[in-house]
Amino acid sequence: ETGVTQSPTHLIKTRGQQVTLRCSSQSGHNTVSWYQQALGQGPQFIFQYYREEENGRGNFPPRFSGLQFPNYSSELNVNALELDDSALYLCASSSPGLAGGEQYFGPGTRLTVT
Amino acid sequence: AQSVAQPEDQVNVAEGNPLTVKCTYSVSGNPYLFWYVQYPNRGLQFLLKYITGDNLVKGSYGFEAEFNKSQTSFHLKKPSALVSDSALYFCAVRPSFSGGYNKLIFGAGTRLAVHP
Repeated sequence: ETGVTQSPTHLIKTRGQQVTLRCSSQSGHNTVSWYQQALGQGPQFIFQYYREEENGRGNFPPRFSGLQFPNYSSELNVNALELDDSALYLCASSSPGLAGGEQYFGPGTRLTVT
Repeated sequence: AQSVAQPEDQVNVAEGNPLTVKCTYSVSGNPYLFWYVQYPNRGLQFLLKYITGDNLVKGSYGFEAEFNKSQTSFHLKKPSALVSDSALYFCAVRPSFSGGYNKLIFGAGTRLAVHP
């Protein structure tokens, strides 16, 4: 098991609502990335935070936003939820000091939008 | 477009036999390559990585992977499969020119089923 934790484990929301997912990074890791894993697919990169700033973003609309806090924990916020937002949301932490930059993933938050 | 292909949705192997899970990539430059494993209702666990050097890299749980630059492949292997290896396996690449951030591009995954 990695030291990355995510909350909540499961979440059910209604279309149009807003949701906040939380992630605590592994000790010593200052970079947090978020991924969306739809059913039967590989994870898709949403964005990355380093030193409390978003420093990279995938092909996701602005209603997907995030924060990183001084303790390197992070939040993913999704506004105006759509049915297609139903997925497993994975948080991963890493450190620039890791050669190759492998990322360590949390267990994920399963979001269901009805 | 940068992409990772895992051509097999599922690989079936008998316990004790060698296994191979295939991965090819289409990324410019010299990317970093990774394998992750996902068990049901769990996040992804890091298995191994290739950065540079020896084309055969060894990882966790007896897994290894062979990098082939000319074929742009990074196949996952294990000499003797265990039933407990049954899981979903993902190949991922980190482009060398990623704009300064650590983005992983994943394949769609291959389900490995090891039968007793």
